[in-house]
Amino acid sequence: KAGVTQTPRYLIKTRGQQVTLSCSPISGHRSVSWYQQTPGQGLQFLFEYFSETQRNKGNFPGRFSGRQFSNSRSEMNVSTLELGDSALYLCASSPGGTGTDTQYFGPGTRLTVL
Amino acid sequence: AQSVAQPEDQVNVAEGNPLTVKCTYSVSGNPYLFWYVQYPNRGLQFLLKYITGDNLVKGSYGFEAEFNKSQTSFHLKKPSALVSDSALYFCAVRDHTGFQKLVFGTGTRLLVSP
Repeated sequence: KAGVTQTPRYLIKTRGQQVTLSCSPISGHRSVSWYQQTPGQGLQFLFEYFSETQRNKGNFPGRFSGRQFSNSRSEMNVSTLELGDSALYLCASSPGGTGTDTQYFGPGTRLTVL
Repeated sequence: AQSVAQPEDQVNVAEGNPLTVKCTYSVSGNPYLFWYVQYPNRGLQFLLKYITGDNLVKGSYGFEAEFNKSQTSFHLKKPSALVSDSALYFCAVRDHTGFQKLVFGTGTRLLVSP
């Protein structure tokens, strides 16, 4: 089975711009979660989507949003970029039906905000 | 709220020696515990998880972890370290109410010397 894929792998944006990141989960997985990884804050949960519905949300401002499509692919959007948004954004997928599921991570999108 | 502590920023071990990477957790109810490894410029790779049952969990690449409920710990171990094990290791916990959300520790860098 193909793993979780994320596009693009690298992005450079300037402050004030917006950005959209994409994630394709493992085939058959219905849950997609997003995490932000920074040297200062570590790995932090952004949100989870399951069957096109946001099921859980972390403590991030409203500039961070996401959605999930009927084929389980997910996008994450960050508007009005700030320097502090520079991070590795990781997407993870799982079957999503139970809390015992394993999440499998993609390679990440590295976002640099100048 | 659930939390994970990884008390060591870095662990140094010689190749062939046993290794231990420490993790303690705090969660309401019974925990679901996970270990992931991250290599440079890569996403997180799943190593193993504890859901219930036997306190000794075996995972990928010869790694195992011991769940200790009384000490609220879930230490990662390997009998004989390889240079290729050098990477960043993350412990994570999920409670029964957060759907797929994982709460990660700050990570421990493992350095295996030849």
